[in-house]
Amino acid sequence: GESVGLHLPTLSVQEGDNSIINCAYSNSASDYFIWYKQESGKGPQFIIDIRSNMDKRQGQRVTVLLNKTVKHLSLQIAATQPGDSAVYFCAEIYISGGYNKLIFGAGTRLAVHP
Amino acid sequence: DVKVTQSSRYLVKRTGEKVFLECVQDMDHENMFWYRQDPGLGLRLIYFSYDVKMKEKGDIPEGYSVSREKKERFSLILESASTNQTSMYLCASSLTSYEQYFGPGTRLTVT
Repeated sequence: GESVGLHLPTLSVQEGDNSIINCAYSNSASDYFIWYKQESGKGPQFIIDIRSNMDKRQGQRVTVLLNKTVKHLSLQIAATQPGDSAVYFCAEIYISGGYNKLIFGAGTRLAVHP
Repeated sequence: DVKVTQSSRYLVKRTGEKVFLECVQDMDHENMFWYRQDPGLGLRLIYFSYDVKMKEKGDIPEGYSVSREKKERFSLILESASTNQTSMYLCASSLTSYEQYFGPGTRLTVT
């Protein structure tokens, strides 16, 4: 079936290190992908997005890589800080029933240690 | 900044009760969504609405209904709450079909 998933449910990193969060998707028709960050007690917040015609997009301290060949998405966070501790979700968007459908992965918890 | 508010952060209801979860957005967004979030399952779409008085079923609509009488307000209704509806409920809105802005969530416990 169509699904979006994550390889690692929990990722622990040292403050200052780079973090890489991975995501696999199964719908080759998906044309848009988003990474969300959810801090404890809050709703998900948009971090960065990428269209299927791109393979890399950079933001402030974050980079998203898209490999359509293996249907893989990753979020790289440079110089990870304690404030980056959260659950990160990838999401894919494709057209279903005439609407754009957003499917979320299960999430990866990022724990940043001093 | 877009603001999406939800009527309650925490709610405890009894089995069989009718439950209303309210969501209001202040950015004149056309699209509004209700999700539930459970550990290990991520966010699952319950219902969505692309216009006033319009609603579409998401992936898990059973046991729920919605109401959108005004553009800024989207209500989720549990007609007869059951224990398997204990969950975190998240409302979102969007101007386009892509980026969605989320509220803080309502943690509902059904006993």
